[in-house]
Amino acid sequence: GDSVTQMEGPVTLSEEAFLTINCTYTATGYPSLFWYVQYPGEGLQLLLKATKADDKGSNKGFEATYRKETTSFHLEKGSVQVSDSAVYFCALTNSGAGSYQLTFGKGTKLSVIP
Amino acid sequence: GAGVSQSPSNKVTEKGKDVELRCDPISGHTALYWYRQSLGQGLEFLIYFQGNSAPDKSGLPSDRFSAERTGGSVSTLTIQRTQQEDSAVYLCASTRGGATNEKLFFGSGTQLSVL
Repeated sequence: GDSVTQMEGPVTLSEEAFLTINCTYTATGYPSLFWYVQYPGEGLQLLLKATKADDKGSNKGFEATYRKETTSFHLEKGSVQVSDSAVYFCALTNSGAGSYQLTFGKGTKLSVIP
Repeated sequence: GAGVSQSPSNKVTEKGKDVELRCDPISGHTALYWYRQSLGQGLEFLIYFQGNSAPDKSGLPSDRFSAERTGGSVSTLTIQRTQQEDSAVYLCASTRGGATNEKLFFGSGTQLSVL
């Protein structure tokens, strides 16, 4: 079945550091890929998405590129802020298999210190 | 309210008791999902409702779990004879039409603790 693997956390960075959170996936067909974020005390919300190979999703300074050849969707940000502290989830839906379910990774907790 | 509302936000129960968790989706959203988030685990799909279609119950972990959606709006997730392993955050989400690449709007969840 479909699966998502993302790097284990927690990740602790200093403010203005460069962030990468790795995500790889296993899926048949042509999945759509997502990053969701869960800020402390809040519900999950969509951060960015990409629906086909080589698409780049971007939002709030975060970027991720859909790489079909490496089955990856790594999340990057050039300069993190304290307000980026949250848990980040990589996820996919598999439109090629007719699936509407989001399959999530286990989440990566990011803490940014001043 | 404008978002997905879940109640209660916290529920503590004794092993063997039944619990009901409620979800009010965003008005007009036809698709509704339940997920479970356990400590150290990702989000586990439980059940999906889309309009008047039969729900996809393929993610329910046992027959102690059931869910219904009345009038295409409010949904209730029921866990019978709760076990300690049922302790988790139960998340509800809704979308406008259930397309596979649509954005899901999540509620803040119900933290269930089974003692």
